[in-house]
Amino acid sequence: NAGVMQNPRHLVRRRGQEARLRCSPMKGHSHVYWYRQLPEEGLKFMVYLQKENIIDESGMPKERFSAEFPKEGPSILRIQQVVRGDSAAYFCASSPPGTGGTYEQYFGPGTRLTVT
Amino acid sequence: AQTVTQSQPEMSVQEAETVTLSCTYDTSESNYYLFWYKQPPSRQMILVIRQEAYKQQNATENRFSVNFQKAAKSFSLKISDSQLGDTAMYFCAWATSGTYKYIFGTGTRLKVLA
Repeated sequence: NAGVMQNPRHLVRRRGQEARLRCSPMKGHSHVYWYRQLPEEGLKFMVYLQKENIIDESGMPKERFSAEFPKEGPSILRIQQVVRGDSAAYFCASSPPGTGGTYEQYFGPGTRLTVT
Repeated sequence: AQTVTQSQPEMSVQEAETVTLSCTYDTSESNYYLFWYKQPPSRQMILVIRQEAYKQQNATENRFSVNFQKAAKSFSLKISDSQLGDTAMYFCAWATSGTYKYIFGTGTRLKVLA
């Protein structure tokens, strides 16, 4: 059973460009969570999605950031008009249905975004 | 607001020795989960150990064990017989039962010395 997949692993964007980060949850998992890790800090919750639904986006910046988890395909975290402060590692986690995500979240390897 | 504090930014230990990483948290909840995650240089987050707050018995996983002191809101991780592969960042995390927002500490960088 493959783990949580994220791609790309490294992404370099110039200021003002768009960044698209992809996450494929573990097989059978229908809950996806995105976290951001700024340098020298712990992970911080951004958004929780189920298929075709955003459940909680309370940790997402109000502007430029959006997330989706379509019926088919991976979850996408999209950052428009990136700025240097968006440079961070972005982690995706997934959990199986029915667990509520408390018991365990399985993390992907992260995408390191660098804005130049 | 719930917070998780890891007061040791960096630690080192000799191979085969024992090391304890500290973690404290602040919450008014009574039912919650605590976790230790390992982040090696590859940056993959790996669950090391999990503790349910309602269980008084401390969790253990092979060389890893916790000292859970609910009244003191303390959750330390003990690594016995340290190995070079244990070199990593270690994050303590907390989540109240029924929610999905893990609250992470800032991490402790552990280096195991040969």
